[in-house]
Formats: sequence, structure tokens, C-alpha cells
Amino acid sequence: NAGVTQTPKFQVLKTGQSMTLQCAQDMNHEYMSWYRQDPGMGLRLIHYSVGAGITDQGEVPNGYNVSRSTTEDFPLRLLSAAPSQTSVYFCASSYGRDGNEQFFGPGTRLTVL
Amino acid sequence: RKEVEQDPGPFNVPEGATVAFNCTYSNSASQSFFWYRQDCRKEPKLLMSVYSSGNEDGRFTAQLNRASQYISLLIRDSKLSDSATYLCVVNLYGQNFVFGPGTRLSVLP
Repeated sequence: NAGVTQTPKFQVLKTGQSMTLQCAQDMNHEYMSWYRQDPGMGLRLIHYSVGAGITDQGEVPNGYNVSRSTTEDFPLRLLSAAPSQTSVYFCASSYGRDGNEQFFGPGTRLTVL
Repeated sequence: RKEVEQDPGPFNVPEGATVAFNCTYSNSASQSFFWYRQDCRKEPKLLMSVYSSGNEDGRFTAQLNRASQYISLLIRDSKLSDSATYLCVVNLYGQNFVFGPGTRLSVLP
């Protein structure tokens, strides 16, 4: 199993550009989440999904969109990048039961100029 | 007040030392608790869940005090490979996980 994969590993954008961060998992996990990690702060939840076709907002959803058309994939879209979105983005997945261990992807390092 | 608080460190300890980290959380309705480990520029990985009765995994011992709303992690006989950032994580419900900012540990030869 590849586990949770994320692409790209690094990305530089200009303010106002849009892009999609890809996330895929091959563990048949129902739950998937997107976090951002900034220096001195804990990971903060952006959006999450409890199954295909179901998504919900986390703590910091503004400026981001998600969709979950399949169990495996959970892309994160930046609509109009801003310097405040410079961060490391982690995708995670977990088994269906609430509060279970999360498995994280390797992260995407995004810089917005 | 932050939902999950940790001393950021760094904790610099010699090999073989015992080191303890504490974490406090603000929401008394929190359901489950975890310690994750994050190596520099890597993703977090589960170190251990924390149970009400306390639990041990080799050199690592985790404790939960619901009345005082804190969680602890004790590492005995520290190894160089234990150098990392340790994240305290609290689950409120469903997928609502709240991460602390992490405590950085450096084990020195």
C-alpha cells in the first residue's frame, strides 16, 4: 500500500492564481481531512469528508474548496491564492470510527508570492 | 485561551535521560487523546493513544487526567532517534481533532 499520497511536494504561486492540491489514499478509509501547518501553531483543520459525496468545513475553510467524488481522492482547491495561504498542507485519512488514528500524507509546501 | 496548549521547548536532554511533556486542553467534553510524533519537515505519525487508566508502550508512558484536563508523555532512557516534535492531539467528536503546537525534543549524545 502507498498509504496517503500528495502532489505536488512543493509549489510556488503568485497572488491570485488558483491551483489544486491532490490527495489520494489506497486504504479504503472513509474519513479524509485537509490541514495546514504554520510555524508555532498546531495543525488546523481546513475541510474534511466522512465519505464520498460528503464534505464539511473545519476551522479555517475560507479560500479553499474541496470535493469527494470517490473514496480514494480528496483534492483541495485554492480559488485565488493569497500570501496568507503560504503554509505546509497535510492530507490525512482514517478508518470510519470517530476519533481513530489518522494517517498523514507527506505534505505540500506552498509559497504564495 | 488556546484549546490545546503545550510548552514549545526545546527540551535538550542527554541520551539516557528521562523527559516528560505536559499538555492541557480546554474543552471538558473532549473524547479521545493522542500523542503524535513529527520529524523535521515530515508528516505527523501516531505515537500512542492515551487512555484514562494510563498506558505504556516500551519506553513511552502516557497519562490522562480528566479532572485537571491535562495529558502527559514520559520518555525513559532517551535515544538520539527520539529527537522530534511531539504533538498533543485531542478529539472533540467525529473528525474534529485539535492539535497542540508541539514540543520540540533534542536528545544530545
